[in-house]
This record gives sequence, C-alpha cells and structure tokens, in this order.
Amino acid sequence: IAGITQAPTSQILAAGRRMTLRCTQDMRHNAMYWYRQDLGLGLRLIHYSNTAGTTGKGEVPDGYSVSRANTDDFPLTLASAVPSQTSVYFCASSLGPEANEQFFGPGTRLTVL
Amino acid sequence: GQNIDQPTEMTATEGAIVQINCTYQTSGFNGLFWYQQHAGEAPTFLSYNVLDGLEEKGRFSSFLSRSKGYSYLLLKELQMKDSASYLCAVTFGDYKLSFGAGTTVTVRA
Repeated sequence: IAGITQAPTSQILAAGRRMTLRCTQDMRHNAMYWYRQDLGLGLRLIHYSNTAGTTGKGEVPDGYSVSRANTDDFPLTLASAVPSQTSVYFCASSLGPEANEQFFGPGTRLTVL
Repeated sequence: GQNIDQPTEMTATEGAIVQINCTYQTSGFNGLFWYQQHAGEAPTFLSYNVLDGLEEKGRFSSFLSRSKGYSYLLLKELQMKDSASYLCAVTFGDYKLSFGAGTTVTVRA
C-alpha cells in the first residue's frame, strides 16, 4: 500500500441496502475525512476523525456513520442507502487536523437505484 | 456552505496564461488552498496561502488578499495536461476544508 486506498472502486446498490466504503492509509496520518462530490456542488465533508478513537460530523452527515478503531482505517457506512446518496466518495487524510495539506484517495463511485 | 465562489468554466490556448479567481467570506478565515483534479481522478494539492501576497511554484502561482476575501490561481505557459478542474478551498475556525464548486479549465491547441 502506498498512500491512501479506497474500496470498492465503484458499486451499484439497491435502495434500502447497507453498504460500507473502505478507506486505508499507510502514512500514519492522525486525521481522516470523508467527502462526497456531486456535479455543481463541489466536495462536501460528511464526517471526519481528528485522531484514532474520535469522530465528528461534517456538513452533510445524515444517513452516514463512521468509526475510527485504529490510525489506518476509516470506513464509511450507509445504513440504508437512498438514491440521493448516489455520488463519488473521496476519503482523505492529513498529518493532523490543522495540517496544511490533505491527501485524497482515488474515490468510490456509488450508484443507488 | 461558506459562500466560496469561483467561475464554472474557463477556456484558454496552449502557451497562454489563465487566472482563476476565488472569493470567500472573511469571517473566521484561516487559510486558502488550491487543488487540481483531472477528470475521474482524486484532487491533488497545488498551493496553500495563509498570508497576503503571491506564492510562486513553477508555472503555477497563487495570490491571497485576506482583507478582500479574494484569491487567484495563475497558470502560466499552459499545457494540454493542465486541462482539469481547479478547486478553491478555505479553512475557517475549525480547520475543516470548505470547497468551492470548482473551475473547469479547457486548454485548446
């Protein structure tokens, strides 16, 4: 692993199903983030974690949950997917919550039908 | 959102210069970032400005005026590979990034 990875690359999901998007980084970064990117709206923060064991809500947290059991992994769960959650999801990390630069994963393209 | 505004699209010719403007609300401002995002790829960091003035990094420069709530990204000697979206992002009191919608730059031969 080099940097930050996400899985799956893409997924088509039936409405009402549960889905977990995975994110792993090997840079020993303390802070991690989940964004969604929609055409015309830019990147919006869903949830974040300043350090392992802590999480916080971003701009659009409803319908999503996260956990941060260790430094490397930051999964995002959709408990019951809805079509409005169709989007491209990016995971990112930074050295700390006040760091100058965030590093982004390759993204997961999710379609909810 | 934090009212971060940037133009939707810009087109320029190979070898030319393009300036992408970004305005934001000044209350609680910490710093401003520019990211580049090619179609279908992840955003990548270009620059960070926290103080007033111009930061130059090769063909790319970024300018900030804190009092005016204004920044620009200057791309010089445009190349075809510079065709991408350029994202302006601002941190406020909580240091979380707030992004503008992005400016799609198309470079023509």
